[in-house]
Amino acid sequence: GAGVSQSPSNKVTEKGKDVELRCDPISGHTALYWYRQSLGQGLEFLIYFQGNSAPDKSGLPSDRFSAERTGGSVSTLTIQRTQQEDSAVYLCASSSFPGTSGYEQYFGPGTRLTVT
Amino acid sequence: GDSVTQMEGPVTLSEEAFLTINCTYTATGYPSLFWYVQYPGEGLQLLLKATKADDKGSNKGFEATYRKETTSFHLEKGSVQVSDSAVYFCALSDDSSASKIIFGSGTRLSIRP
Repeated sequence: GAGVSQSPSNKVTEKGKDVELRCDPISGHTALYWYRQSLGQGLEFLIYFQGNSAPDKSGLPSDRFSAERTGGSVSTLTIQRTQQEDSAVYLCASSSFPGTSGYEQYFGPGTRLTVT
Repeated sequence: GDSVTQMEGPVTLSEEAFLTINCTYTATGYPSLFWYVQYPGEGLQLLLKATKADDKGSNKGFEATYRKETTSFHLEKGSVQVSDSAVYFCALSDDSSASKIIFGSGTRLSIRP
């Protein structure tokens, strides 16, 4: 596609349920990132995938959060046993030049997650 | 660790006013600096960037100069328009941190006609 796509665009779930958020990066981009945008918290890095290397998980807030990237393309962010503080907009980004900080990351529209 | 501090909003200006949004950073290495913008109802997009000291990034009439001596990357525009109303994020990316972007908290800008 023309840009990074994410699904669903909105997700409402009950506390304690598991959720999966999907990201389709720009075709050919080898680097993929997940960020979280919370009200009053700004944007925070969660996890980074580069090609076939082990992901950088240093931003994941707890072990309830995990992510995988299949075939070097689509990525799924999974949140287990959701809590109300997980409510946020989850953003995915991709880049064609991993590990090179001057290159642009292209962001998707985000998934707004609401935990009730 | 690396961090970005930017001026808190919201900022409200009249059309054609001069804009400055302050941004300072802390980094152990030699980061690249960015301004991202999020227009209402749209995704985050890169506005401009600078990859080394004294570089000036510019786009859509906005400018920011990478000042290593003051660790700053202030965003400026000489004459704002209503269409500039958005949330602006200052950010950095450091090669030593696998290029993840560290964002400031964002500044909401509203322009009155």
